[in-house]
Amino acid sequence: EPEVTQTPSHQVTQMGQEVILRCVPISNHLYFYWYRQILGQKVEFLVSFYNNEISEKSEIFDDQFSVERPDGSNFTLKIRSTKLEDSAMYFCASRTGYTNDGYTFGSGTRLTVV
Amino acid sequence: AQTVTQSQPEMSVQEAETVTLSCTYDTSESDYYLFWYKQPPSRQMILVIRQEAYKQQNATENRFSVNFQKAAKSFSLKISDSQLGDAAMYFCAYTLPQGGSEKLVFGKGTKLTVNP
Repeated sequence: EPEVTQTPSHQVTQMGQEVILRCVPISNHLYFYWYRQILGQKVEFLVSFYNNEISEKSEIFDDQFSVERPDGSNFTLKIRSTKLEDSAMYFCASRTGYTNDGYTFGSGTRLTVV
Repeated sequence: AQTVTQSQPEMSVQEAETVTLSCTYDTSESDYYLFWYKQPPSRQMILVIRQEAYKQQNATENRFSVNFQKAAKSFSLKISDSQLGDAAMYFCAYTLPQGGSEKLVFGKGTKLTVNP
């Protein structure tokens, strides 16, 4: 069964450093998402991406965040200057053009900011 | 604001028994999609079951079924013949078809423990 692949599985970074989280969505999917889950809390929407542009972003997704799909396969989330409160699990998800198909999530990247 | 409420932070069930996890949501729209996701200790989000709001028939997937009450905005998940592997966090979520983003809005989750 096709998978959404995320790398790395765990990243530790120092406060103020830039991090790039990588995702390879399923090849025929059209919509791409990043979600965040702070430990013990609910999953929160960050950003959606369609047709090579952001279609919606949440209040969390401020100027420190950016997304890119540079080569038609990878989908990246960049955090420019990490803060301690950015420590969380970050999930990439993708879906086809049909909402009823559901969303396929990657296994997540655990980001720890120290 | 779109909200999803899971009123049971934790639930437990005996192996082979049945358990129901509750979920309510708030929307003024009539067309939307509802989902239950399972998150085992590995933290991966796994789709369990989905329901289109325009379908009156409750969705079923093997041992998993839902009780969808549109007027009450309720979407509970029933797990029959519970197995040890069902132990996980369960998240209820919904999305509005809006021709582009269709982000998922999640509840806070219910932690299910399955006792042998």
